[in-house]
Amino acid sequence: NAGVTQTPKFQVLKTGQSMTLQCAQDMNHEYMSWYRQDPGMGLRLIHYSVGAGITDQGEVPNGYNVSRSTTEDFPLRLLSAAPSQTSVYFCASRKGGAQYEQYFGPGTRLTVT
Amino acid sequence: GQQVMQIPQYQHVQEGEDFTTYCNSSTTLSNIQWYKQRPGGHPVFLIQLVKSGEVKKQKRLTFQFGEAKKNSSLHITATQTTDVGTYFCAGSTGANNLFFGTGTRLTVIP
Repeated sequence: NAGVTQTPKFQVLKTGQSMTLQCAQDMNHEYMSWYRQDPGMGLRLIHYSVGAGITDQGEVPNGYNVSRSTTEDFPLRLLSAAPSQTSVYFCASRKGGAQYEQYFGPGTRLTVT
Repeated sequence: GQQVMQIPQYQHVQEGEDFTTYCNSSTTLSNIQWYKQRPGGHPVFLIQLVKSGEVKKQKRLTFQFGEAKKNSSLHITATQTTDVGTYFCAGSTGANNLFFGTGTRLTVIP
């Protein structure tokens, strides 16, 4: 199993540009989520999905959209990038509820200038 | 909203010294998990605690869950350079989401 994969690994955007961060998992996990990691802030939940066709907002959803058309894929869209979105983004998946361990992807380091 | 606070934010120790990081929640947790993130890497699951007062050990690592299920700690005995990284706790109130602490970055000086 490849586990959780993310692309790209690095990205530089100009303010106002849009892009999609890709995330895929091959473990047939129902739950998938996106986090951003900033120095001193830990991991903050952006959006999550409990299954295909179902998504919901986390702690910091503004400026981001998600969709879950398949169990495997959970892309994160930045509609109009802002410098405040400069961060490291991690996708994670797990089998079900919060009692299961989460598997994280390798991360995408995004810089918005 | 739920908050999970973690201290200290940074810790520098000499190799061989002990290390402890503490996690505190404003609400009672149903379970708490611990993750380790190596420099430049991604968080990796270490362990989960569920029961009040639970203590679990993994070699030199000891994890505790408080009696009130609002706090937890990770203690490393005789640190090694391989212990370097950031340690996160993550708590849940039983719903779907885990709330991560701010993490403790451990530096081990050889």
